[in-house]
Amino acid sequence: GAVVSQHPSWVICKSGTSVKIECRSLDFQATTMFWYRQFPKQSLMLMATSNEGSKATYEQGVEKDKFLINHASLTLSTLTVTSAHPEDSSFYICSARSGRGDYGYTFGSGTRLTVV
Amino acid sequence: DAKTTQPPSMDCAEGRAANLPCNHSTISGNEYVYWYRQIHSQGPQYIIHGLKNNETNEMASLIITEDRKSSTLILPHATLRDTAVYYCISAYMEYGNKLVFGAGTILRVKS
Repeated sequence: GAVVSQHPSWVICKSGTSVKIECRSLDFQATTMFWYRQFPKQSLMLMATSNEGSKATYEQGVEKDKFLINHASLTLSTLTVTSAHPEDSSFYICSARSGRGDYGYTFGSGTRLTVV
Repeated sequence: DAKTTQPPSMDCAEGRAANLPCNHSTISGNEYVYWYRQIHSQGPQYIIHGLKNNETNEMASLIITEDRKSSTLILPHATLRDTAVYYCISAYMEYGNKLVFGAGTILRVKS
């Protein structure tokens, strides 16, 4: 089946620094990937749609200059949280769809970001 | 905004069937019903999806009403490992279409 790998699984960083999260589709190509954020005891909130070779599409209220998305290849999308602050601490999850078979969207295992 | 509504929580006895309802009264004709679940601190896991007909796979069954305004996910023999948040999502099948999550149902399977 389709596999999406997300790295790192957790990261702790200092306020003001930047953190990069990688999302890879391991056995399929994904021209489109999605980034979600999830706060404790809340549902997943879609942040942006990552498009290979073009600019990402951000959801309303998501700061594109703070959450930089790069989708430079058909198997890799990255999310960079710039100048992180404690309120950016959250669970970040990516997803992609293989475009084949009857499988739905595949999600990464998530990245727990803690900003101290 | 999510276009589906689900009960916030449900309990189920281990070994019994878990029936999780979902209301999607505004679903469009070409929108599918997807079900995912999320176990604590993990990414969501695909369970099943359908358009009109009932569907079954190794994990669950999906029953969609004839008017398509609601559906039920059935876990035939719930185990403790099925304790999770279950999300029902209506979305178009086209590649690149985004999934918007609602609040989901917390299913607690109890021994």
